[in-house]
Amino acid sequence: AQRVTQPEKLLSVFKGAPVELKCNYSYSGSPELFWYVQYSRQRLQLLLRHISRESIKGFTADLNKGETSFHLKKPFAQEEDSAMYYCALSNFGNEKLTFGTGTRLTIIP
Amino acid sequence: GEEVAQTPKHLVRGEGQKAKLYCAPIKGHSYVFWYQQVLKNEFKFLISFQNENVFDETGMPKERFSAKCLPNSPCSLEIQATKLEDSAVYFCASSQSTSNYGYTFGSGTRLTVV
Repeated sequence: AQRVTQPEKLLSVFKGAPVELKCNYSYSGSPELFWYVQYSRQRLQLLLRHISRESIKGFTADLNKGETSFHLKKPFAQEEDSAMYYCALSNFGNEKLTFGTGTRLTIIP
Repeated sequence: GEEVAQTPKHLVRGEGQKAKLYCAPIKGHSYVFWYQQVLKNEFKFLISFQNENVFDETGMPKERFSAKCLPNSPCSLEIQATKLEDSAVYFCASSQSTSNYGYTFGSGTRLTVV
């Protein structure tokens, strides 16, 4: 069964400091990995997906198949990064996403 | 439109009453998904549609829950005889032909069963 683990429920980081939100997964196959973000009072939105290798709002995430990880990183945190972040996995063919339980990131001014 | 529209935003039902939630996916998106989020915890997959056909219903409770996506109508999720544990936020999402693009989520319907 596929599973996504986000070990940190809460993470506080000072503005300007580096951010890393951890995500590990278990899946037998080649998964598609995503990060979704939910800002206060807004709907859940796609932040980035590993297949496109994008950098969105300064965030990047590298899929490490050996460590089965897809950690989200940003070199310099900004106050507007405060939000709830969800890591998610899908397997091509059945389309559904399996979500982690989320990490609430708070940027301290 | 460019947003997934969910109605109503809030729904309160007495135990045993029926609840019906609606979702209008983005035009041109082939897949529709329903998720249940209890107490801001993880998202539990319920069911997905490819156009008007059920694609994956492995997450749907066998009793009381049903869903439809009919042509030219919003998709719907119906809960017969609601129970207290059905209280949750129900999210709908739609996506293009494959999940590689990621989903676009609606803002959710908060169902409270009292």
